[in-house]
Amino acid sequence: DIRMTQSPSSLSASVGDRVTLTCRASQSISTKLNWYQQRPGKAPRLLIYAASSLQSGVPSRFSGSGSGTDFTLTISSLQPEDFATYYCQQSYSPPMYTFGQGTKLEIK
Amino acid sequence: EVHLVESGGGLVQPGGSLRLSCAASGLTVSDNYINWVRQAPGKGLEWVSVIYAGGDTYYADSVKGRFTISRDNSKNTVYLQMNSLRAEDTAVYYCARETVAVARGYHFYMDVWGKGATVTVSS
Repeated sequence: DIRMTQSPSSLSASVGDRVTLTCRASQSISTKLNWYQQRPGKAPRLLIYAASSLQSGVPSRFSGSGSGTDFTLTISSLQPEDFATYYCQQSYSPPMYTFGQGTKLEIK
Repeated sequence: EVHLVESGGGLVQPGGSLRLSCAASGLTVSDNYINWVRQAPGKGLEWVSVIYAGGDTYYADSVKGRFTISRDNSKNTVYLQMNSLRAEDTAVYYCARETVAVARGYHFYMDVWGKGATVTVSS
């Protein structure tokens, strides 16, 4: 199984900050990497697919990069609605998808 | 607009059974890949099962032999039959549509999610 490890597990930041979240795969997954946002009590929401493609309707302050085993999600200027938990997911080995453990982004 | 709505959650005793439903609107389940993903209280996301457009089904090792995914095309609904339930199956269960993008290869992602159904396994 492909294991996905996210860091940090939690992060405190302020509105307007630029933040970068990291996801590492246990083996190379090319660019088969998706990012989801989950607000408390809500369903996950797709932000980025194929490592760097922005899902329709997602603000351009979100961007993704990486390939192989190391990936990042960057939020260029944090907005109040961005405080949530973020998950990466590998889509290299369908249908056995695995998610990272999540990074909780909190208000400082 | 595309929507998925889960129902059928509830409290069940260990060893019991429950059937979740995922009703779709704005999409045809028989033309799509529909997944079930669960989230235990305070934990992360875990893929559970998928039914492909062609009817093939797949399961996570943690539920194989106990859960069955199926669909009723006439009702445009996907089901997850859960038997021999355990305390560790307690979670919010989401259904999600899986889409593929073709760009330098095939890229699969879950772009439409329901709000979730809560399953609690406890005596």
